[in-house]
Formats: sequence, C-alpha cells, structure tokens
Amino acid sequence: DIVMTQSPFSLAVSEGEMVTINCKSSQSLLSSGNQKNYLAWYQQKPGQSPKLLIYYASTRQSGVPDRFIGSGSGTDFTLTISDVQAEDLADYYCLQHYSSPLTFGSGTKLEIK
Amino acid sequence: EVQLVETGGGLVQPGRSLKLSCVASGFTFSSYWMYWIRQAPGKGLEWVSSINTDGGSTYYPDSVKGRFTISRDNAENTVYLQMNSLRSEDTATYYCAKDPAIRGGYWGQGVMVTVSS
Repeated sequence: DIVMTQSPFSLAVSEGEMVTINCKSSQSLLSSGNQKNYLAWYQQKPGQSPKLLIYYASTRQSGVPDRFIGSGSGTDFTLTISDVQAEDLADYYCLQHYSSPLTFGSGTKLEIK
Repeated sequence: EVQLVETGGGLVQPGRSLKLSCVASGFTFSSYWMYWIRQAPGKGLEWVSSINTDGGSTYYPDSVKGRFTISRDNAENTVYLQMNSLRSEDTATYYCAKDPAIRGGYWGQGVMVTVSS
C-alpha cells in the first residue's frame, strides 16, 4: 500500500499570510504513460463534506480560487494557500489514486488567528 | 447541478447488516465511476469501495473486503453499499462520491452509520 505522510498536523495563521501543506508518498505517483501525478487535494470545512480543490497534483478544480496552488511531482507534493482568508478555515487532505488501495494523508487543520 | 443524496444510515448492532443508497442527479451517472469513502468521528478519510461505469468491476481495501459489496443501478442513477458483519470500527460518516479525484469530482453530504450494542 502507498503511505501518504502529510504535514503539518495543524497550523494557525493570520489572514493575508501564506501557508504550505506537504504530502509525501511512499512510492511515485507519476504515471509514465501520461505523465500525470495521481494526487488530489481536498478541503473539508467544519460540518461539511470534502470538496475537491486540486487534481493531478496541480490542476485547480473549476471555481476554486487561484490562491490555492498545487505543486510537486513523483513523491513530494505541496498545497500552497496564498493570502489566506477566514473562509479557508478547514481540514485539508491529500489523496493518492495511483494504485489500489486509494490512500489519504492524515489531514492538516488550518486555523485562523 | 450535481447532487448525491445518501440514505440508509442509522444505529445497528455488531454483526448485523445495513445497506446504504446514493441517488445521483445532475450528470450522466452511467459515465462515471462511483466511490464510497468514510470518516470515523473526529478522524480522517478512508476509501471504502469503488465501482466502474457498468458495475462489472469493484474494488475494496482489506478492511472491508468480504464484508461490504458495492453495486449500482444505472437505470435508477443509484449506487449501493451493502455492509455485512458490521463492527464497531465501521462507525463513521459514509460519503458517496462521483470520481472524486479528477475534474468535476464531487462528494455527497454523507450518512452516519453507528455500530453499537
């Protein structure tokens, strides 16, 4: 099974600051066939279901603000949120869907100071 | 507008069965893989099952293999999760999702399953 190691566990920032969340996979998520990284990022606000932010590591889902940026390839991936807003208060998860079983990172709780 | 509405949750005793349903609308249901993903109270996310477009291929993690069965009815735009031999560790909110990791991925609001005597 591919293990997804996500960090940090939590972080607290002020509005307007930038945050970085990391996910490291135990195996490469890069497909040699189509050169896509099978890594997605989700946002889960309190009391809500998860919402897809980023797919294939760096492609933003339609409607997602451009302050959410996904980057990385192979085994190391990053979700960057620039100019954090109060509405970004949420848990964030990464997911690998390169191979079965699909596995999630353990989550990062973002708090706003 | 995409909608996924899960039903069938509730309180069940250990060892008993429960069947979840997820009715889809707002997209061509038969063209998409469907998934069940769960979240224990206060915990992270765990993939539970996937089914391809025609229902001919299904996938499970070891934690539920042999106990849970995913199926779909494309005529009724519905995906199901039959859960047998339930355990306390199956207590969670169960989410139905439309191809959750690619463009257009979408999750339902979830249904709570509590396994307790």
